[in-house]
Amino acid sequence: LAKTTQPISMDSYEGQEVNITCSHNNIATNDYITWYQQFPSQGPRFIIQGYKTKVTNEVASLFIPADRKSSTLSLPRVSLSDTAVYYCLVGSTGGFKTIFGAGTRLFVKA
Amino acid sequence: NAGVTQTPKFQVLKTGQSMTLQCAQDMNHNSMYWYRQDPGMGLRLIYYSASEGTTDKGEVPNGYNVSRLNKREFSLRLESAAPSQTSVYFCASSEESGVTGELFFGEGSRLTVL
Repeated sequence: LAKTTQPISMDSYEGQEVNITCSHNNIATNDYITWYQQFPSQGPRFIIQGYKTKVTNEVASLFIPADRKSSTLSLPRVSLSDTAVYYCLVGSTGGFKTIFGAGTRLFVKA
Repeated sequence: NAGVTQTPKFQVLKTGQSMTLQCAQDMNHNSMYWYRQDPGMGLRLIYYSASEGTTDKGEVPNGYNVSRLNKREFSLRLESAAPSQTSVYFCASSEESGVTGELFFGEGSRLTVL
């Protein structure tokens, strides 16, 4: 299982773009990269998933370099409601033993 | 759609007592999971069920048992609760197996063992 490393916490201000980087040096060929968001007292919620290059949806973008040893979640123009913990996961189909890690606590200030 | 529903939302137990956490999903998903989350930490997988009729151990299975009652329901049982099992428990389900399948989580069950 590929281990992931993320910053423990980050601060930002409303309206700024936030980039959270995740390192996964031991990523396997079949592994995908998935990001989840968790608000206090709630279960995590899927944000975005990718395999290589760039993926964008209505919420975020995911940048994956060619070597796939890291990935960056980009949140455009954050608001106070984006204050949450963000988890990076790496794994493949059939890889049930997902490892969430401690995640990155993002605090958005007014 | 209710999604993933967990009961109870809160429970206080004494050491040695037993209890069962219930989980049901209405999305016709094949796979279901139980996680625990301790303060300031990520989620750790306790048990999972890849499909109806199968269950398997995750990262921290000791002290727990599970039952995949049918495709909708996946219960977690603590036979003899210990203070170390004080945690928030999350049930999740996914249509696809493993990490590439989007996980849908319940709201959690907060368990305190005295």
